[in-house]
Amino acid sequence: AQSVTQPDIHITVSEGASLELRCNYSYGATPYLFWYVQSPGQGLQLLLKYFSGDTLVQGIKGFEAEFKRSQSSFNLRKPSVHWSDAAEYFCAVGAEEYGNKLVFGAGTILRVKS
Amino acid sequence: DAGITQSPRHKVTETGTPVTLRCHQTENHRYMYWYRQDPGHGLRLIHYSYGVKDTDKGEVSDGYSVSRSKTEDFLLTLESATSSQTSVYFCAISDQERALLNTQYFGPGTRLTVL
Repeated sequence: AQSVTQPDIHITVSEGASLELRCNYSYGATPYLFWYVQSPGQGLQLLLKYFSGDTLVQGIKGFEAEFKRSQSSFNLRKPSVHWSDAAEYFCAVGAEEYGNKLVFGAGTILRVKS
Repeated sequence: DAGITQSPRHKVTETGTPVTLRCHQTENHRYMYWYRQDPGHGLRLIHYSYGVKDTDKGEVSDGYSVSRSKTEDFLLTLESATSSQTSVYFCAISDQERALLNTQYFGPGTRLTVL
């Protein structure tokens, strides 16, 4: 069965420091990959997505992610974190072979120290 | 922002009572989804719809039913609410035949507490 793992439940970084959130997936098909962000009390907002082509994708708010097929990973990065980036981040995976559905990871809560 | 509203936004109910949550969209998107969000589990798909009167089960469909009589509305019903259904419920929509190529847009969520 398809699954998505976000190994870090919580991450704390200092404002201005770089950030990397990890996402690993298990899929028996070519995956479509997404990162969503959820601010407290809000719905989910798409940060970026990967379907094909260049394995380094750029998203909103200065985020980027790199697809590494050999490692089954799609890690999210940001070179300099701002206090407003504090939120919960979700990795999600889908595949045409499994219909128009996404499987979400459990999420990583990002805290930003000033 | 995509035109998605959920009602009610908050609800407290008692075990054994029926509950219906509503998702309304103004985007005329074909696909609609219901998820529940629980700590440590991320979002899990309950049911989804790929057109009027066309629905299918997701990962955690037991105890839930859905209906879609109009493109814009997708209802989630808990026939007899249990405490394990205390959660935050999100509706999402997406468009296009190859829906995975398009973003899923999420509503603001409904916080349901079953006492």
